[in-house]
Amino acid sequence: EVQLVESGGGLENPGGSLRLSCAASGFTFSGYAMSWVRQAPGKGLEWVSGISASGGATHHADSVKGRFTISRDNSKNTLYLQMNSLRAEDTAVYYCAKDRHGSYFENWGQGTLVTVSS
Amino acid sequence: DIQMTQSPSTLSASVGDRVTITCRASQSISSWLAWYQQKPGKAPKVLIYAASTLESGVPSRFSGSGSGTEFTLTISSLQPEDIATYYCQQCTNYLCSFGQGTKLEIK
Repeated sequence: EVQLVESGGGLENPGGSLRLSCAASGFTFSGYAMSWVRQAPGKGLEWVSGISASGGATHHADSVKGRFTISRDNSKNTLYLQMNSLRAEDTAVYYCAKDRHGSYFENWGQGTLVTVSS
Repeated sequence: DIQMTQSPSTLSASVGDRVTITCRASQSISSWLAWYQQKPGKAPKVLIYAASTLESGVPSRFSGSGSGTEFTLTISSLQPEDIATYYCQQCTNYLCSFGQGTKLEIK
């Protein structure tokens, strides 16, 4: 059974940094691209960042480009999202998702809440 | 970047009704479209991928159609457990985007 478990969320001041982690199990992690998707309170889904299976290619939404970095450690079956220069509008539940065929998100974690506020 | 627009934003229907949600892309995405169902407090769940392929385990009352820029999700006979918010989604050139969502309510 595929399991994705996010951690690292919490309360951070504007301008601060957080690193999210997503521990994967139940599938060959190194064989799949992965993404982060977020959802602000009461709002819709927003794709944030994606990374290839090897980690050699990364992509970010314009809203986080230059501030967030996606990475992965295939030896630890773990996906990361380094979030710097946090803003109030980054407040959201952050989901990690297993990519399928580079076109849709087959499995999702339960999400971790990030709150940016002073 | 490709923008996805869903309609309607809110839909009220009765149990047993046929329900249709539309998603339009700002440029052609061929058939690279997925539909998700999200219930309150839960992660989204994929229903349909490649515009019309039903994900394993999803009830057959759900179906998808379309290609290019216009797509539809249809529920043939609405059930109480289908109350949720539905999203369309595309990925092109490694950049992805979602529609704004359609909240489905029971009349």
